[in-house]
Amino acid sequence: EPEVTQTPSHQVTQMGQEVILRCVPISNHLYFYWYRQILGQKVEFLVSFYNNEISEKSEIFDDQFSVERPDGSNFTLKIRSTKLEDSAMYFCASNFRNTEAFFGQGTRLTVV
Amino acid sequence: QKEVEQDPGPLSVPEGAIVSLNCTYSNSAFQYFMWYRQYSRKGPELLMYTYSSGNKEDGRFTAQVDKSSKYISLFIRDSQPSDSATYLCATHGGTSYGKLTFGQGTILTVHP
Repeated sequence: EPEVTQTPSHQVTQMGQEVILRCVPISNHLYFYWYRQILGQKVEFLVSFYNNEISEKSEIFDDQFSVERPDGSNFTLKIRSTKLEDSAMYFCASNFRNTEAFFGQGTRLTVV
Repeated sequence: QKEVEQDPGPLSVPEGAIVSLNCTYSNSAFQYFMWYRQYSRKGPELLMYTYSSGNKEDGRFTAQVDKSSKYISLFIRDSQPSDSATYLCATHGGTSYGKLTFGQGTILTVHP
């Protein structure tokens, strides 16, 4: 069964460092998303990406964040200068068109 | 007012019980409703996906939507210990199928 794959599963970084979280969406999907879940809180939408550009972003997705689809399979989320409050689970999701979204297993980001 | 409200529980039931999980939403623009299951530190896994008001059944799971009262429910029949997880309701308005608004999640434990 096709699935969304995320790497790494856990990333520890020092405050102020840049991190890149990686995702391989389901191969025929066209729309890609990043979500964040701070421990004990809701899953929150960050950004959607289609046709090589951001289609929507939330208030959380400020200038510290960027997304990229560097090739035909990967989808990345970069956080330029991490803060303690960026510690969370980050989920990648994808869907085809007017279909339900499938989520990856997540990357746990710990900023120390 | 929060867009999607869900009682976080925790909810503890004996094996074999019928479980009822509920969410309310405030935005009439929400048209599509999902239930995801999330195991600890894992990604959300899609269980049910509905559009219309009414019931949708899949095995032991029944999703119910009442758009007039902005109320959605998930029923689990013959609950099993393997059903122990966090259950997330989610919704979108039909313009961006992967841009989801989630509830807080209800923590369910089914004990043998």
